[in-house]
Amino acid sequence: GQSLEQPSEVTAVEGAIVQINCTYQTSGFYGLSWYQQHDGGAPTFLSYNALDGLEETGRFSSFLSRSDSYGYLLLQELQMKDSASYFCAAYPSGNTPLVFGKGTRLSVIA
Amino acid sequence: NAGVTQTPKFRVLKTGQSMTLLCAQDMNHEYMYWYRQDPGMGLRLIHYSVGEGTTAKGEVPDGYNVSRLKKQNFLLGLESAAPSQTSVYFCASSTLSGGYEQYFGPGTRLTVT
Repeated sequence: GQSLEQPSEVTAVEGAIVQINCTYQTSGFYGLSWYQQHDGGAPTFLSYNALDGLEETGRFSSFLSRSDSYGYLLLQELQMKDSASYFCAAYPSGNTPLVFGKGTRLSVIA
Repeated sequence: NAGVTQTPKFRVLKTGQSMTLLCAQDMNHEYMYWYRQDPGMGLRLIHYSVGEGTTAKGEVPDGYNVSRLKKQNFLLGLESAAPSQTSVYFCASSTLSGGYEQYFGPGTRLTVT
């Protein structure tokens, strides 16, 4: 089976740094994706880690450790517009669709 | 490019009624997907397609049927709607080798009374 665990809610202060963790259990594993979804909107792709280590894209970074079945999304210099839900998703194989976690709702407060 | 579009955006059905949700993409993607999203449940895969004329079941396929007669279109059908199918439905597409990066449509909010 496939399962991903991530915190349901996180609150952080504007300008701060927040880390959203994701642990996964999958029968096959190619990599870990992250998506952002604002209230009332559609999910949008943020990043993908196929290899261990940190991938940086502007204020957002994503990390993967295959040996620990663990990844995280790091958001720096938080802005109010970063308030959204964030989903990790495991990519089991090239022919198998993503398996999504239940999402972490991030609230950025002043 | 319009990307991924969904029709309709909102719909209210009575129990037992049927309807079809249409998804269209103009990116020439091979893979297309249908998800439902319920509060606290994340995105759950209903059905997907790896190419024209092929479909496969996802995590929650019961009560739904799909068809992909053209590469750019993926239809989701509810033959006899039930209140448990009240949800937000998202369609997505991806390339053959880029299934980790899906492009989502704006969603259809369906209420079954």
